[in-house]
Parts: sequence; structure tokens; C-alpha cells
Amino acid sequence: GAVVSQHPSRVICKSGTSVKIECRSLDFQATTMFWYRQFPKKSLMLMATSNEGSKATYEQGVEKDKFLINHASLTLSTLTVTSAHPEDSSFYICSASVSLSNEQFFGPGTRLTVL
Amino acid sequence: DAKTTQPPSMDCAEGRAANLPCNHSTISGNEYVYWYRQIHSQGPQYIIHGLKNNETNEMASLIITEDRKSSTLILPHATLRDTAVYYCIAARATGKLIFGQGTTLQVKP
Repeated sequence: GAVVSQHPSRVICKSGTSVKIECRSLDFQATTMFWYRQFPKKSLMLMATSNEGSKATYEQGVEKDKFLINHASLTLSTLTVTSAHPEDSSFYICSASVSLSNEQFFGPGTRLTVL
Repeated sequence: DAKTTQPPSMDCAEGRAANLPCNHSTISGNEYVYWYRQIHSQGPQYIIHGLKNNETNEMASLIITEDRKSSTLILPHATLRDTAVYYCIAARATGKLIFGQGTTLQVKP
């Protein structure tokens, strides 16, 4: 089956620093990638949708200057949390889909802790 | 996207069938019913999806009512490894998935 990886799996950073999370589709080319975050004991919340070569579409309430998304190729999307603060601590999950497929393939997630 | 309603939690005995219900009374004609599950601290895993007809794969069966207002996910022989949060989502093909609170299924020995 299709595999999506994320790197790093967990990261701890100081408040005010920026953190980049990578999402890769390993054995397929993803036309669309999605970014979610999940707080403890809560459901996944969609942050943004990105298509290769175009600007990401952010969900209402998600700051695009805070969460920078780059979808440089059909196999790689990155999420950069800029000037991270403790309230940004969360589980960040990406998913990827291909055109003509009804299935989204999810990565294993990245646990971000901001001190 | 149509809203879905699921019971917050369910228990099932190991080896028995687990039947997880989902209501999606406002589902539109071009929306599929998707089921994903999430085991603790992992990314969601696709289970099955359907439009109108019942579907079966190696993991589960999906029964969709004729009016499409509700569906049931069936895990035929639940194991302890099936303990997870199960999400029922109504969405267009290749569209974004909006996750609700899901059903926490606890499979007990």
C-alpha cells in the first residue's frame, strides 16, 4: 500500500524558534497533501490543503503566516511552524492523495513540544 | 460536507463482530462515506469507503442504508489490535476530510 512518511517523528524546541516538518509520499506521486493537527484527546483538525506548485488553501482560523506550507514536488510537502510558542505544541499529521483515488494516506505524525 | 454522528464509545468482546453505527442524514449525492481509524498516537488508517452499495474488503464491511442517511461499519472478528478511535466521514471524492469525534472502540478479552 501507499506509504507516507513524516520527519521528524518528534521535536522539542524553545519558544520563538521555527520548526520544519516534512511529509513525503514514498511510493507514489501525491497531487494533493493535507495538514492536520491534533490536541490531546481531541479529533484531527484540518489546517490546510496544498497542491504541488500552488499556494496552500488554509482553513478558517489557521494563520498562513504562522504555518507556512510549501509543496515543492509531487512527493514532498513541508510545514514550518514559525516563531513557535507553547500553545503550538501538538501532534501534526499529514496526508496525501492522488487524483482519481478516493483514499487519503496518512503519515505517522510529528509530535511538537514547544518549551 | 455533511456532518456525521457517532456514539462516543463502544465495547466489543474479542472474537465477536463489532458493529459501529454512523448517522449522516444530510449527506449529499456526491459524497462518499469513509471510515478511518486511529490507534493511539499514530496517523489515521483508511478502512473502507462506499457511495451507495455495501462494500467489503479484507478489513471490514460497510453497510449503507438505502436512503444513505446512515451506515454501519462491521469488523467481523474483532481482535485486541482493533482497539482504536473509528471515524466516519462524509466527503466528496478526493475532497478534504473533516474529522468528528469518532467512536472509541474498546475490544476486551
